[in-house]
Amino acid sequence: GAGVSQTPSNKVTEKGKYVELRCDPISGHTALYWYRQSLGQGPEFLIYFQGTGAADDSGLPNDRFFAVRPEGSVSTLKIQRTERGDSAVYLCASSSQGDGYTFGSGTRLTVV
Amino acid sequence: GQSLEQPSEVTAVEGAIVQINCTYQTSGFYGLSWYQQHDGGAPTFLSYNALDGLEETGRFSSFLSRSDSYGYLLLQELQMKDSASYFCAVRDNYGQNFVFGPGTRLSVLP
Repeated sequence: GAGVSQTPSNKVTEKGKYVELRCDPISGHTALYWYRQSLGQGPEFLIYFQGTGAADDSGLPNDRFFAVRPEGSVSTLKIQRTERGDSAVYLCASSSQGDGYTFGSGTRLTVV
Repeated sequence: GQSLEQPSEVTAVEGAIVQINCTYQTSGFYGLSWYQQHDGGAPTFLSYNALDGLEETGRFSSFLSRSDSYGYLLLQELQMKDSASYFCAVRDNYGQNFVFGPGTRLSVLP
């Protein structure tokens, strides 16, 4: 596609529920990144894929968070047993050379 | 670990020049990027400096001094549409992911 697409744009879920956030990167971009951003703060790194494999998942806060990219294109971030502290904007980005990202518009997750 | 510092807010008037500084402490360093983010929008890539010196792109310039662990973004001929948050980000030594600073909120006044 022309840009990075993230769905849904907004997600409200109840505490304890499971959610999936989807990212469709720019066609041909091998690197894909997930960040999350809380209000008034900079994006916080979660995980980075190079192709199908997670090259660096050191930013995932705990084992409730998991991400996959099975075919090296679309990626899904999965959050189990959501907590109110998980509320944030989840940003996906892709790049081809690694020096500049193209971000999607994000998914605003609200846990109530 | 990595830490980045930026001023939290900067205010300037239309037509002026403003400089947003970024200092970083990292165990390794591959480069410094700058991003612009309007309220409710996605961060947009502005520039990347891997080597010391000044990079110019239209009204925006970015500078890096690796020996000082310091960089800045220079915005010239400010316009109202430049009101946004600006983030510096350091490329982590161990991979291609970037660590972002806390952001500087720029307000451009008429």
